[in-house]
Amino acid sequence: GQNIDQPTEMTATEGAIVQINCTYQTSGFNGLFWYQQHAGEAPTFLSYNVLDGLEEKGRFSSFLSRSKGYSYLLLKELQMKDSASYLCAVRVYILTGGGNKLTFGTGTQLKVEL
Amino acid sequence: DTEVTQTPKHLVMGMTNKKSLKCEQHMGHRAMYWYKQKAKKPPELMFVYSYEKLSINESVPSRFSPECPNSSLLNLHLHALQPEDSALYLCASSQGLGGDEQFFGPGTRLTVL
Repeated sequence: GQNIDQPTEMTATEGAIVQINCTYQTSGFNGLFWYQQHAGEAPTFLSYNVLDGLEEKGRFSSFLSRSKGYSYLLLKELQMKDSASYLCAVRVYILTGGGNKLTFGTGTQLKVEL
Repeated sequence: DTEVTQTPKHLVMGMTNKKSLKCEQHMGHRAMYWYKQKAKKPPELMFVYSYEKLSINESVPSRFSPECPNSSLLNLHLHALQPEDSALYLCASSQGLGGDEQFFGPGTRLTVL
């Protein structure tokens, strides 16, 4: 199975930078995704890493170290609208049936304050 | 069109009812997914369809029955549900199973009385 850990809650100040960590233990690793989910809404895709290193996408960046089973999501210039749950999701390859499946971490609830 | 639509938005049903959830995408995606999400929990995968064939069933009880009539549509038929099945049911799609991002629909909020 998979074990994916994220902090439950984080609080940060508007305009600041926040880093949300995710550690995982899995077999058949085939990529790591970050999603944002506002309360009562669907998850929306933020970023994706399959190789080690940093992927930058505007105010959001994501880092992956496969040897350490570790990823982080970096959010810069925080805005109030960034208050949401941030879900780390590990993709693993499934031999039976074929294809990949996503397993989500428990999510980190980020609160951005003035 | 870059969205996944789901109907209905909300559904209340009794334990003896039969109902269906519907999901549609027109992005030409060939993989579609059903997830279940309880409050303050992450989405949990239920089923994966690839090219209209069931690829993964995560040991979901038979009271949930998926169907993929064509490449754009995905249904979830519900029968004899339990109150603990109350949750947000999310549909998602991706280009293929090869590992692209999944696009999620807004979900159906299901309440079983």
